Amino acid sequence: GAGVSQSPSNKVTEKGKDVELRCDPISGHTALYWYRQSLGQGLEFLIYFQGNSAPDKSGLPSDRFSAERTGGSVSTLTIQRTQQEDSAVYLCASTRANVLTFGAGSRLTVL
Amino acid sequence: GIQVEQSPPDLILQEGANSTLRCNFSDSVNNLQWFHQNPWGQLINLFYIPSGTKQNGRLSATTVATERYSLLYISSSQTTDSGVYFCAAEYNNDMRFGAGTRLTVKP
Repeated sequence: GAGVSQSPSNKVTEKGKDVELRCDPISGHTALYWYRQSLGQGLEFLIYFQGNSAPDKSGLPSDRFSAERTGGSVSTLTIQRTQQEDSAVYLCASTRANVLTFGAGSRLTVL
Repeated sequence: GIQVEQSPPDLILQEGANSTLRCNFSDSVNNLQWFHQNPWGQLINLFYIPSGTKQNGRLSATTVATERYSLLYISSSQTTDSGVYFCAAEYNNDMRFGAGTRLTVKP
């Protein structure tokens, strides 16, 4: 597609529920990042995918968080048993030639 | 991972003023980028500048890789320049962001 597409744009869930956030990167971009941005804060690195290499999961805050990237394209970030502190905007970016292009983000609110 | 520090954390300007934002990073980098996050949250890439100087209209950026810093210059600021400016430094595919500089340009 023309840009990085993320869905849903907004998600409100109850504490303890699981959520899935989707990222559709720009066609041909081999690298994909997930970041988290809490209100008024900077970007916190979560996970990085590059081609068929094993992902860099060093930023995932707990084992409730996981992500996969199928076929080197679409990525899904899953948060299990959500907590209120998971509330944030989850941003996906894909890269080509080292230039990051961000999606509009998925705003997650855990009640 | 790389540590990235930005200064100042907040900046308030009168329209028409010039400003300089700074980004320090802790290690050698392959990649240094500046982003603007608008009030709606969208992050827009401003510059890809691992070294040297680039200019785009009223904005320019300089990275001195050997001294581990980058500067973003905004000249003749406009209210539409308001938002948060982030720099991001990358080494070996590990890209880390600074905490940002929140710029407010008053009319």
